[in-house]
Amino acid sequence: EDKVVQSPLSLVVHEGDTVTLNCSYEVTNFRSLLWYKQEKKAPTFLFMLTSSGIEKKSGRLSSILDKKELFSILNITATQTGDSAVYLCAVEAYNTDKLIFGTGTRLQVFP
Amino acid sequence: EADIYQTPRYLVIGTGKKITLECSQTMGHDKMYWYQQDPGMELHLIHYSYGVNSTEKGDLSSESTVSRIRTEHFPLTLESARPSHTSQYLCASSAGTSVLYNEQFFGPGTRLTVL
Repeated sequence: EDKVVQSPLSLVVHEGDTVTLNCSYEVTNFRSLLWYKQEKKAPTFLFMLTSSGIEKKSGRLSSILDKKELFSILNITATQTGDSAVYLCAVEAYNTDKLIFGTGTRLQVFP
Repeated sequence: EADIYQTPRYLVIGTGKKITLECSQTMGHDKMYWYQQDPGMELHLIHYSYGVNSTEKGDLSSESTVSRIRTEHFPLTLESARPSHTSQYLCASSAGTSVLYNEQFFGPGTRLTVL
């Protein structure tokens, strides 16, 4: 059965800290891995990763995929209170348009 | 900014009522999805559609039904709401199966409470 596992489930840090969120997956016919940020309501898209070893970067956020070891990490440097959210990892397989979501990592950043 | 809309944003109703949650997108996307998410829990796919007149059940069993008569519109209906249907319902859409276009855009969600 396809599954996506995220860790940690919850993380509390102070502003300025760097955090690393993990996502491992077991999916038949993997096509892409996506990261979303969910604050109060709907998830918003962060990154889509399809190739191993190529870092995607957006400001203080970056992400990389390892298709051999079947995981991805999301890094946030110099965290701010506005980074507080649930970060969702989702995986898509070929021949389907469904996303398999992990349970998310709840990040809380305190001043 | 993704153009996908859901109404109502909040709905509180009594048991036994029939309700329809609206979802529409102006991006011309063929693929649309409904997810159910309880507070602090993961997203569960309950319905999806590959295009007009196409609907499929998702991974989580749901008593709701959907229709796709127009590309831009994907309403979800509960014939007789029960307290167990209390949840947040998120609608999403995506352009297609190309690697470049499989990002899903989410609507703002409808928080449903059934008393």
